[in-house]
Amino acid sequence: DSGVTQTPKHLITATGQRVTLRCSPRSGDLSVYWYQQSLDQGLQFLIQYYNGEERAKGNILERFSAQQFPDLHSELNLSSLELGDSALYFCASSAFGGEAFFGQGTRLTVV
Amino acid sequence: AQKVTQAQTEISVVEKEDVTLDCVYETRDTTYYLFWYKQPPSGELVFLIRRNSFDEQNEISGRYSWNFQKSTSSFNFTITASQVVDSAVYFCALTPNAGGTSYGKLTFGQGTILTVHP
Repeated sequence: DSGVTQTPKHLITATGQRVTLRCSPRSGDLSVYWYQQSLDQGLQFLIQYYNGEERAKGNILERFSAQQFPDLHSELNLSSLELGDSALYFCASSAFGGEAFFGQGTRLTVV
Repeated sequence: AQKVTQAQTEISVVEKEDVTLDCVYETRDTTYYLFWYKQPPSGELVFLIRRNSFDEQNEISGRYSWNFQKSTSSFNFTITASQVVDSAVYFCALTPNAGGTSYGKLTFGQGTILTVHP
């Protein structure tokens, strides 16, 4: 168990809908990262938050957004969903100077 | 831009064989970190090792060993006496040494699917 908790584990929704994925980092970790894993794109970095502020952005679509709350948990919001957004979404967290530990992922299926 | 290449898409071995997973990377950063992660069939990503670009010493942890060669931009991973439980997808990853707050911002390779048969 990495100590990073993601909910829900599975999510099925229709095209055009909006969903929110939640991540609780390891205790004390200030950095949270979101990744998307799909068959065609592999593991892609989406966005990073550090202590509540956006720190880095990767290949994140404009329809996607994230935030990190004062208690350090993070949410990834996906809107106007398309079939191609179906993927495994990972959250990871790290301490200062430390490597990232990943949650178990949320498998999103858009139908 | 950074790039990680794992040329072996799939490897199949029989239990107790040794197996080496290749990783080649490209970066313009002078200092960086390299990683290996394991993704078992259950789906989670498990951290295995982090290596600083300054440190070219090979590392051994039980049946696992890693060979870092800066001259060839490679960071290969060897499993000795493989076991069925080693069956997983293995990812090599890279991040610049841009300060301690960003070591989770990773560029991943495409992964190598390792299947160990009994």
